[in-house]
Amino acid sequence: AIQMTQSPSSLSASVGDRVTITCRASQGIRNDLGWYQQKPGKAPKLLIYAASSLQSGVPSRFSGSGSGTDFTLTISSLQPEDFATYYCLQDYNYPWAFGQGTKVEIK
Amino acid sequence: EVQLVESGGGLVKPGGSLRLSCAASGFTFSSYSMNWVRQAPGKGLEWVSSISSSSSYIYYADSVKGRFTISRDNAKNSLYLQMNSLRAEDTAVYYCARVAARTSRDFDYWGQGTLVTVSS
Repeated sequence: AIQMTQSPSSLSASVGDRVTITCRASQGIRNDLGWYQQKPGKAPKLLIYAASSLQSGVPSRFSGSGSGTDFTLTISSLQPEDFATYYCLQDYNYPWAFGQGTKVEIK
Repeated sequence: EVQLVESGGGLVKPGGSLRLSCAASGFTFSSYSMNWVRQAPGKGLEWVSSISSSSSYIYYADSVKGRFTISRDNAKNSLYLQMNSLRAEDTAVYYCARVAARTSRDFDYWGQGTLVTVSS
């Protein structure tokens, strides 16, 4: 099974900061990776699909990059509503697997 | 409006069984693959199971294989998860999620979740 290693597990940042979260796959997964945002008590929300495509309705400050084994989610200018936990998901082959999550907290 | 509403969660003893349901509306249910994803209290997301639109393809996480069964009734716009031989580590919020038709991957809509607690 493919393992997803996400880093960091948490980070503190200020409004306006540029934030980068990385996900590494234990083997190549082409660009079959998505990024999800989850706020406390809520269901996750799809932000990025196919590694770099922005889901409809998601602000353009979110972007994704990468292919193969290394992927990045970038928030160009952190907004108050972006404080949440972020997960990557490999959907290249079964069993699909999430990263451990990155909690983005207010500095 | 796409809606996914889970039900069936609750408190069950170790070794017991529970059946979760997910009622879908606002889209052509029979055209979409569906999944279950769970989240233990204070923990991360875990993919559980996937079923294709016509039930031809079914997959499970190793952690639930042989104990859980995913199924669907397209006539009733419903997704199910039969959970047997439940363990304490199955305690979690269970979400149903729709797979995006555009990519046949990614979860573009999620339900609000239903809590399953396995405890004596």
